[in-house]
Amino acid sequence: DVKVTQSSRYLVKRTGEKVFLECVQDMDHENMFWYRQDPGLGLRLIYFSYDVKMKEKGDIPEGYSVSREKKERFSLILESASTNQTSMYLCASSSLGLAGAAETQYFGPGTRLLVL
Amino acid sequence: AQKITQTQPGMFVQEKEAVTLDCTYDTSDQSYGLFWYKQPSSGEMIFLIYQGSYDEQNATEGRYSLNFQKARKSANLVISASQLGDSAMYFCAMREVSQAGTALIFGKGTTLSVSS
Repeated sequence: DVKVTQSSRYLVKRTGEKVFLECVQDMDHENMFWYRQDPGLGLRLIYFSYDVKMKEKGDIPEGYSVSREKKERFSLILESASTNQTSMYLCASSSLGLAGAAETQYFGPGTRLLVL
Repeated sequence: AQKITQTQPGMFVQEKEAVTLDCTYDTSDQSYGLFWYKQPSSGEMIFLIYQGSYDEQNATEGRYSLNFQKARKSANLVISASQLGDSAMYFCAMREVSQAGTALIFGKGTTLSVSS
């Protein structure tokens, strides 16, 4: 079975704290993604990675960084948390896919982050 | 311009009835993939069904089917024989194959409520 896990379901942090959100997949997928989800805005891509140590900015990378030191693990880092980063964070992974095929993304359970 | 449009913020249906959730998309690519995900209140995004742009048959997965009308650029999700457990948020998403490594583009979602 496909499995994507995230380190926390709920997290409460203070403004200015450094926050780490961890995501692990056990499907040997090449691609990994971080999204944030906000009411009325849907899911927006923060960063993605298509290989170890590789990363690409998504639509809203400001205030975030990522790390991918191992294939199965993709970390999202909030360098200095702010209240406008209170959100639901979803990690996903997908295989590389054959040329012309749009590979399915599988999601973790999400982390609800509250920044006070 | 929005790439994925879900015009129904909320839908209400009774158990055992069928329901159609609308999705229209905008792309100039010839090769793309369309996905539907379900998000219950627990937060996890659950993959439901996939349709490739070159697939001639509409995709089906159990009670889910995708009514794909390429010329109209629509990819509606049909849920037959609704169950109480189908109450959730539903997202339509698209991946353009030409954009190698990029993430899914999501619509803003439709909330489905199933009553007994």
